Amino acid sequence: DVKVTQSSRYLVKRTGEKVFLECVQDMDHENMFWYRQDPGLGLRLIYFSYDVKMKEKGDIPEGYSVSREKKERFSLILESASTNQTSMYLCASSPPPGGYQPQHFGDGTRLSIL
Amino acid sequence: AQKVTQAQTEISVVEKEDVTLDCVYETRDTTYYLFWYKQPPSGELVFLIRRNSFDEQNEISGRYSWNFQKSTSSFNFTITASQVVDSAVYFCALSEADNNNDMRFGAGTRLTVKP
Repeated sequence: DVKVTQSSRYLVKRTGEKVFLECVQDMDHENMFWYRQDPGLGLRLIYFSYDVKMKEKGDIPEGYSVSREKKERFSLILESASTNQTSMYLCASSPPPGGYQPQHFGDGTRLSIL
Repeated sequence: AQKVTQAQTEISVVEKEDVTLDCVYETRDTTYYLFWYKQPPSGELVFLIRRNSFDEQNEISGRYSWNFQKSTSSFNFTITASQVVDSAVYFCALSEADNNNDMRFGAGTRLTVKP
């Protein structure tokens, strides 16, 4: 079974802090994704990566950056956390081709910015 | 860009009732893929089914069935004889063959099945 592991289930940070959310997958998938989930809005794509050191912006990249130094790990970075970034963050991975394959999700990180 | 609409925000049923979750989509591509995911309280989205645009056959898996109709751009999900364990948020999603890594999700429908 594919396992996508997110480093924290719950995280509380302060405004202005730099925040790192880590995601690791164990199935050698090329594609990895970061979403945020908000009530009434579903999942919105922040960034995705189709290879090591490659990244593409999703719908809502502002205030975020990502890093993919190794194939199995995809990190989401909040450069200077703000209260409107309080949300549930979901990481996912899939093999190619990206559109056809279902994505496999982690358990999510519920992030609160105070 | 593609779009997915799940008009039902929340549904509440009593155990053993049948329930249908609606999903309507928009796309300009002729080749696309539709998905349903289940998100139980634990948080992890679980893949349930994928349908491609060329396959309009309905599918049944145990108590779950899916009705794909291109004429109405709908991909509805029915749970027969619902159980408490079916309580979750269900998401419909769409990806286009020409836009490989852009999977669009609906807002989700929260289903509560009461004993």
